[in-house]
Amino acid sequence: DGGITQSPKYLFRKEGQNVTLSCEQNLNHDAMYWYRQDPGQGLRLIYYSQIVNDFQKGDIAEGYSVSREKKESFPLTVTSAQKNPTAFYLCASSEPSTNYGYTFGSGTRLTVV
Amino acid sequence: QKEVEQNSGPLSVPEGAIASLNCTYSDRGSQSFFWYRQYSGKSPELIMSIYSNGDKEDGRFTAQLNKASQYVSLLIRDSQPSDSATYLCAVGNNDMRFGAGTRLTVKP
Repeated sequence: DGGITQSPKYLFRKEGQNVTLSCEQNLNHDAMYWYRQDPGQGLRLIYYSQIVNDFQKGDIAEGYSVSREKKESFPLTVTSAQKNPTAFYLCASSEPSTNYGYTFGSGTRLTVV
Repeated sequence: QKEVEQNSGPLSVPEGAIASLNCTYSDRGSQSFFWYRQYSGKSPELIMSIYSNGDKEDGRFTAQLNKASQYVSLLIRDSQPSDSATYLCAVGNNDMRFGAGTRLTVKP
């Protein structure tokens, strides 16, 4: 079955640590996205990539980094510079030429301990 | 910054009633509009898309778009308890923006 896999489902980070969230898709979609969701709030765009080896900052990119070395993979690193990283992180993909909307992964819940 | 606004609710309707969810957006050039349903603790799932002014119906769901007023709505007919969720309005294609969502509760 085609889909998006995010791992891990739950992640705990100590103060000052960098952590990397994994996102893999087998839908053959060109575009991939990372969103952050805080309780009672909508999704806020962190980074997006429309093609391999290229990505753009979203509205809240500070304290995050990404890479897009393969079409299938778009990992997100939450750096120690992100002062309030506790949130629900969602990865999505789409095929821009079809305009069918996004397919989301099941999410990673990150907590700072 | 492109903005998408929704009434946060909560919205409560009795089973069998019509639920009406509303959304406004700031980017007048937007061409693509979506409604996602999100159950608590889960990821959003796409339920409707609309691209042209007017109504689009899919089963119990009807999406309405008015680009002149920059307004999108979702009607859910014959609401069921299983429709209880947060509904997210989303605008755009390559860098989609989401509203904060409206929490809907359908009471048996």
